[in-house]
Amino acid sequence: EAQVTQNPRYLITVTGKKLTVTCSQNMNHEYMSWYRQDPGLGLRQIYYSMNVEVTDKGDVPEGYKVSRKEKRNFPLILESPSPNQTSLYFCASSISGTPSHFGPGTRLTVL
Amino acid sequence: GNSVTQMEGPVTLSEEAFLTINCTYTATGYPSLFWYVQYPGEGLQLLLKATKADDKGSNKGFEATYRKETTSFHLEKGSVQVSDSAVYFCALRSAGGTSYGKLTFGQGTILTVHP
Repeated sequence: EAQVTQNPRYLITVTGKKLTVTCSQNMNHEYMSWYRQDPGLGLRQIYYSMNVEVTDKGDVPEGYKVSRKEKRNFPLILESPSPNQTSLYFCASSISGTPSHFGPGTRLTVL
Repeated sequence: GNSVTQMEGPVTLSEEAFLTINCTYTATGYPSLFWYVQYPGEGLQLLLKATKADDKGSNKGFEATYRKETTSFHLEKGSVQVSDSAVYFCALRSAGGTSYGKLTFGQGTILTVHP
């Protein structure tokens, strides 16, 4: 089954404790991207990657890092999480630059 | 920078009513435009798209026309169903160059359809 998987689905952590949210797709897609969803703000793009080893900033990259060492994986790293990064996070992928498949979301709470 | 503005919600309709969700944008050049739908507890799904002026995207009875002169991409459906209840997001992708993969979303419009 074609899908984008994210782990974990739910995470509660404390300020400053490094964490990684994994994203993996099984469709051989070139393009992958990360978004955060907050009430009243819609989705905002954090980072995107057009291909392996190619990443670029979206609208809200501060406080996040990504890497694209292989085509199928695109982890989101929070080196020192803060409460304002409490949000619902989505990973997405596609053949081109238009996200066609979204993951189920990761709900992150930073205390 | 780019921006997308959607009509304020939530929108509540009766089944078989006509739906319009307004979307306007600000961008340089000729961006591509999209509507996504998010059902409760799920990720987003691409509903329809238009890549150039006067293009009409359509899917599942929904339509939207890329209007360059009014910088708009309003979503319409002639007869909504209860199953259309969801959050709808308008989005644009930069025209090209180094920002080709950059997407900007509107704030989302909650649609509730009653039987």
